[in-house]
Amino acid sequence: EAQVTQNPRYLITVTGKKLTVTCSQNMNHEYMSWYRQDPGLGLRQIYYSMNVEVTDKGDVPEGYKVSRKEKRNFPLILESPSPNQTSLYFCASSSGRLMGANVLTFGAGSRLTVL
Amino acid sequence: KQEVTQIPAALSVPEGENLVLNCSFTDSAIYNLQWFRQDPGKGLTSLLLIQSSQREQTSGRLNASLDKSSGRSTLYIAASQPGDSATYLCAVLNRDDKIIFGKGTRLHILP
Repeated sequence: EAQVTQNPRYLITVTGKKLTVTCSQNMNHEYMSWYRQDPGLGLRQIYYSMNVEVTDKGDVPEGYKVSRKEKRNFPLILESPSPNQTSLYFCASSSGRLMGANVLTFGAGSRLTVL
Repeated sequence: KQEVTQIPAALSVPEGENLVLNCSFTDSAIYNLQWFRQDPGKGLTSLLLIQSSQREQTSGRLNASLDKSSGRSTLYIAASQPGDSATYLCAVLNRDDKIIFGKGTRLHILP
C-alpha cells in the first residue's frame, strides 16, 4: 500500500532533550515536506526537500533540522525542544516537482508534547 | 507574502443540501491549488487538485473551481451527507515551491 509513515505517533518529552521524528514513503516520491498544525494557526510548512541532499526552509524553520540522505526518508530533528514546539506534526510527499498534477500524500501525524 | 483565507471558519447545513466552501489567496503566481479533507485527529486526504492552467476539477459529488486572476477557489459539494462532516482545507503551491494552507472550514452536516 502506498503510504507515508511517521514515527512516533505520540511523544511526550522534556525541554532540551533531543528527539527525531522519522518519515518514510514507499512511493519513490521526490518531494517531501514537514508541517506543524496548531489551533488558530492552521498548517504551516517547516522544511521541504525537492530531492536527495536538497532541502529548503518553509515558513517556520526555527528550532528544527532536517536531512535527506535517501529518497524515501526525511527525518525531522529537534535538537533542543522547547514547549512552543508542542504541536501536531505532519509529513507529506509527492512525485516530481509538484508542478502540475502531483498530489500531496500525508502521513497520519505525530503529536508532540514538550514539558 | 502569500496568504490563504477560508471563509466561513465553520458551517452547519442539513443533510441533502448543496454547499459551497470558499478559498481566497493574495498572490496569483501559483502552480496549483489543492483541496483536502481532515477528520478529527487524522491526517489530510487530498480531494481535488487544480493546476494553474485549469478552471475546474470534478470527482463524484465534489467540484472545485479556480479563478487565478481573482485569487479565488470554491469547493462545491452536492447532496451533502453526514459522512461529509470534516474540516476542509485549501492549499496553494507558490512559485517558490512553498505550500501555504488556509486555516480550514469546519463542516457539520446535520442528519
